[in-house]
Amino acid sequence: GAGVSQTPSNKVTEKGKYVELRCDPISGHTALYWYRQSLGQGPEFLIYFQGTGAADDSGLPNDRFFAVRPEGSVSTLKIQRTERGDSAVYLCASSPRTSGATGELFFGEGSRLTVL
Amino acid sequence: DQQVKQNSPSLSVQEGRISILNCDYTNSMFDYFLWYKKYPAEGPTFLISISSIKDKNEDGRFTVFLNKSAKHLSLHIVPSQPGDSAVYFCAASAREYGNKLVFGAGTILRVKS
Repeated sequence: GAGVSQTPSNKVTEKGKYVELRCDPISGHTALYWYRQSLGQGPEFLIYFQGTGAADDSGLPNDRFFAVRPEGSVSTLKIQRTERGDSAVYLCASSPRTSGATGELFFGEGSRLTVL
Repeated sequence: DQQVKQNSPSLSVQEGRISILNCDYTNSMFDYFLWYKKYPAEGPTFLISISSIKDKNEDGRFTVFLNKSAKHLSLHIVPSQPGDSAVYFCAASAREYGNKLVFGAGTILRVKS
């Protein structure tokens, strides 16, 4: 497809488990973003990649959260020892623009994570 | 510390009338503003944007107004259509922060036919 693809669309896990969420950005987009949206709130920034490197990870809430983008395309958000408060929709977005430029982000449909 | 605020959680408008969605921000470093629209079970989609060097940008039925002195922007939809019913997010960015968008909490717009 032409858009940002995220898998799984839904993930239910138990407290303390490890989860991985995958994002496949639009082909050729150099910038990739992860956001988290909790119920009744707007998307909250987690981390931004420019190519393979994390240009800004200031939004990651703690060291249980980690993201990689080893080849500059697909990215994986990893959450260790999940907690009930991690339940949210995790949104991935990509952009063709380089660092420092403004412009719109193209979002995927999100991965809904529920931690029981 | 909410840097982007949408104080109206919801808005209901009759089809054909004007919808006005408001957004306030606190960070004077913001220099680019965007509106996103979101349907249930879908990701946000870009609607319209405005640079801080402008005070108005128009695209078809959608117009965004920016008042920098008041740190306020608004989205006008004229005429409103039932298909416009969605959640609308205001977002802002600053060149100094890269392309990181800061979002408001959203306003649910319902257009009644």
